[in-house]
Amino acid sequence: DAGVIQSPRHEVTEMGQEVTLRCKPISGHDYLFWYRQTMMRGLELLIYFNNNVPIDDSGMPEDRFSAKMPNASFSTLKIQPSEPRDSAVYFCASSLGLGGASYEQYFGPGTRLTVT
Amino acid sequence: GNSVTQMEGPVTLSEEAFLTINCTYTATGYPSLFWYVQYPGEGLQLLLKATKADDKGSNKGFEATYRKETTSFHLEKGSVQVSDSAVYFCALSGVPQAGTALIFGKGTTLSVSS
Repeated sequence: DAGVIQSPRHEVTEMGQEVTLRCKPISGHDYLFWYRQTMMRGLELLIYFNNNVPIDDSGMPEDRFSAKMPNASFSTLKIQPSEPRDSAVYFCASSLGLGGASYEQYFGPGTRLTVT
Repeated sequence: GNSVTQMEGPVTLSEEAFLTINCTYTATGYPSLFWYVQYPGEGLQLLLKATKADDKGSNKGFEATYRKETTSFHLEKGSVQVSDSAVYFCALSGVPQAGTALIFGKGTTLSVSS
């Protein structure tokens, strides 16, 4: 298996522009997670899906952020409009289940977003 | 609420030195505990885990013991290598519900020189 695939790996955009990050989870995994990593705040969970349905979006920072999972093999995280403080590395992860130690989360390589 | 606290880095060691990275947690109930590792330019990978008190997780020479009395899960390795240079994250499973997402510490950067 290719693992979790994210695109693009790097994104540089100007403030105010729309940004779309993409993720393909491991086939057969029922859970998909979006995280944001910054020096100041560390690794934060933004949202996660179960069987394509958003379960917990309490980590989404504000309405400028939205995430969708139209099918089991694809998810997007969109920021509109983007701001410099959104600059971070965004990770997607997937797992077979959500039973703590029973189901390991597999992370993608991340998308490094820079908003100027 | 539930949280994880890790020692601040960076930790800088010479090859073959002993490593300890401290991790303590706050949680209700009995969480499972994890260490993840992030190599440069990559996503996080599970390094080891422990599911109950006094369990010891181990992998690639790294060990951590689940200490309920001190609410700790310190990561140790007897002899580090340059290839161990990475960021290490302590994490716990959500409690009281088993079926909730992981909570991560802020990460500790380890740099090993030859």
